Amino acid sequence: GDSVTQMEGPVTLSEEAFLTINCTYTATGYPSLFWYVQYPGEGLQLLLKATKADDKGSNKGFEATYRKETTSFHLEKGSVQVSDSAVYFCALSDPGNQFYFGTGTSLTVIP
Amino acid sequence: DTAVSQTPKYLVTQMGNDKSIKCEQNLGHDTMYWYKQDSKKFLKIMFSYNNKELIINETVPNRFSPKSPDKAHLNLHINSLELGDSAVYFCASSLGGSGVEETQYFGPGTRLLVL
Repeated sequence: GDSVTQMEGPVTLSEEAFLTINCTYTATGYPSLFWYVQYPGEGLQLLLKATKADDKGSNKGFEATYRKETTSFHLEKGSVQVSDSAVYFCALSDPGNQFYFGTGTSLTVIP
Repeated sequence: DTAVSQTPKYLVTQMGNDKSIKCEQNLGHDTMYWYKQDSKKFLKIMFSYNNKELIINETVPNRFSPKSPDKAHLNLHINSLELGDSAVYFCASSLGGSGVEETQYFGPGTRLLVL
């Protein structure tokens, strides 16, 4: 079945460091891919998404490119801030409307 | 305007009690979900309702029962609460239908603590 695998955390970075959180997926069809962010004490919020191969989703300085050849959707940000500290979830939605989340990656950014 | 709302935000109760968590969405979506998030932040889908019909029922105990009076509401009732039920429960909704793009919108969560 479909699934999402993301790098385990926790990840700790200094402010202004470069961030990469890896995400790979397994799907039989052509899924949509998502990154969600969960700030402390809050629900999940959509960060960015991509609906087809080679699409790039971007928001708040974060980017991820839908790579069909490597079945990946890695999240990147060039310069993280303390306010980016959160848990990040990679997810996919298949054409059958099933939704699959990764296990989450906790990010802490220190000043 | 809150898109997906849940009540209560916090729920502290004794083992053996029965409790309900309410969820409402004002997005006009056809599909709603309940997730359980454990202390390690792992999200597990529990139920999904599409236009008031159950379409996913993962292997959760039958003490948990979703109830959907209409497509804007999906409540979660839990009987005979156990210590292991302590978690954060999230409601979510999505447009539904046959489209590929299925962004889910989450509520703020209900933090359940069973003593």
